[in-house]
Amino acid sequence: NAGVMQNPRHLVRRRGQEARLRCSPMKGHSHVYWYRQLPEEGLKFMVYLQKENIIDESGMPKERFSAEFPKEGPSILRIQQVVRGDSAAYFCASSRISGGGGDTQYFGPGTRLTVL
Amino acid sequence: GQQVMQIPQYQHVQEGEDFTTYCNSSTTLSNIQWYKQRPGGHPVFLIQLVKSGEVKKQKRLTFQFGEAKKNSSLHITATQTTDVGTYFCAGHFGNEKLTFGTGTRLTIIP
Repeated sequence: NAGVMQNPRHLVRRRGQEARLRCSPMKGHSHVYWYRQLPEEGLKFMVYLQKENIIDESGMPKERFSAEFPKEGPSILRIQQVVRGDSAAYFCASSRISGGGGDTQYFGPGTRLTVL
Repeated sequence: GQQVMQIPQYQHVQEGEDFTTYCNSSTTLSNIQWYKQRPGGHPVFLIQLVKSGEVKKQKRLTFQFGEAKKNSSLHITATQTTDVGTYFCAGHFGNEKLTFGTGTRLTIIP
């Protein structure tokens, strides 16, 4: 059973460009979460999605950031007009269920975004 | 929103010494999970505790969930260099999504 896949693993963008980060959840998982991790810091929740629905985007910046999880294909985190402060590791996690039932989250290897 | 606090933020121990990290919430948790992230790696699920006062062991690691289900601890006996990394607790408040603690970074002095 393949784990959570993320690509690219490393992404370099210049200021003002767009960054697209992709996440394919584990087979059988319909819940996807995106986290951002700055160097030497903890995990910051960004957004939680199910297929075709954004469930919770309370951690997502209001501008330039968007996320989707279409019926077919991977979940995508999109950052428009990147700035240096967007440089971070972005982790995707997936789970089979969600909520208080104990949704173990399985993390992908992350995408390291560097903005020049 | 609900928060899960973790202490200490950093811990440096001599190889062979014990290590403990603590996780606290002001509100009762439905359950608590622990994850480990190696340097340069991604978080990996270690264990889940559900019952009040529950204790689980994985080799040299002992996990506890407090009686009031508001705190938890992870204790590592006789640390080894392979234990290096950041340990995160994560809890559920009711049926809400998982909330991660701030993490404790463990470094081992050989």
